[in-house]
Amino acid sequence: DAGVTQSPTHLIKTRGQQVTLRCSPISGHKSVSWYQQVLGQGPQFIFQYYEKEERGRGNFPDRFSARQFPNYSSELNVNALLLGDSALYLCASSPGPFLTGNTIYFGEGSWLTVV
Amino acid sequence: DAKTTQPPSMDCAEGRAANLPCNHSTISGNEYVYWYRQIHSQGPQYIIHGLKNNETNEMASLIITEDRKSSTLILPHATLRDTAVYYCIALSYNNNDMRFGAGTRLTVKP
Repeated sequence: DAGVTQSPTHLIKTRGQQVTLRCSPISGHKSVSWYQQVLGQGPQFIFQYYEKEERGRGNFPDRFSARQFPNYSSELNVNALLLGDSALYLCASSPGPFLTGNTIYFGEGSWLTVV
Repeated sequence: DAKTTQPPSMDCAEGRAANLPCNHSTISGNEYVYWYRQIHSQGPQYIIHGLKNNETNEMASLIITEDRKSSTLILPHATLRDTAVYYCIALSYNNNDMRFGAGTRLTVKP
């Protein structure tokens, strides 16, 4: 079975541009979360979606947005990119909301470099 | 929200058990303890999770103290491939987010 898949794996953008990152959860998983990991630090929570509704939001500016589609895949959008947005963006999926103690699996991430 | 505290680094001899401690003294009764590891900035790999009882799977064992204020991840026979950053996380019930700390960098030595 395929794990959590993310695309693209690497990309380079210029300051001020916009980027869209994509995530396909494990088959049967309905919850997707996004994390940002800056080099040398642990991942930081950005969003969680369950059944296409936002269930949680971390401390990130409004330049960050996300959505979940009927097939449970998800997109993370970042507008007006800053140099500080350079990071590994991780997607995690689980069968249901985190509150039920589900096993949560991460993808390999998308490396974003802003120049 | 429960904060976790882990030692920044640990060494372990290959073939020996690696015991990674985690303090979560403010954990609430309905917060789970999750363990992940990350190798060379790949995606975090799930290891194990638990609520109150000790847990074991093919990768590791999780020992949670009776008062739930701390836990220990045990890798029974560490190999060089277990060298990674290990994260202990108390799952926030209020915000639905996993609060990763700095983790413990485990180095398995020959």
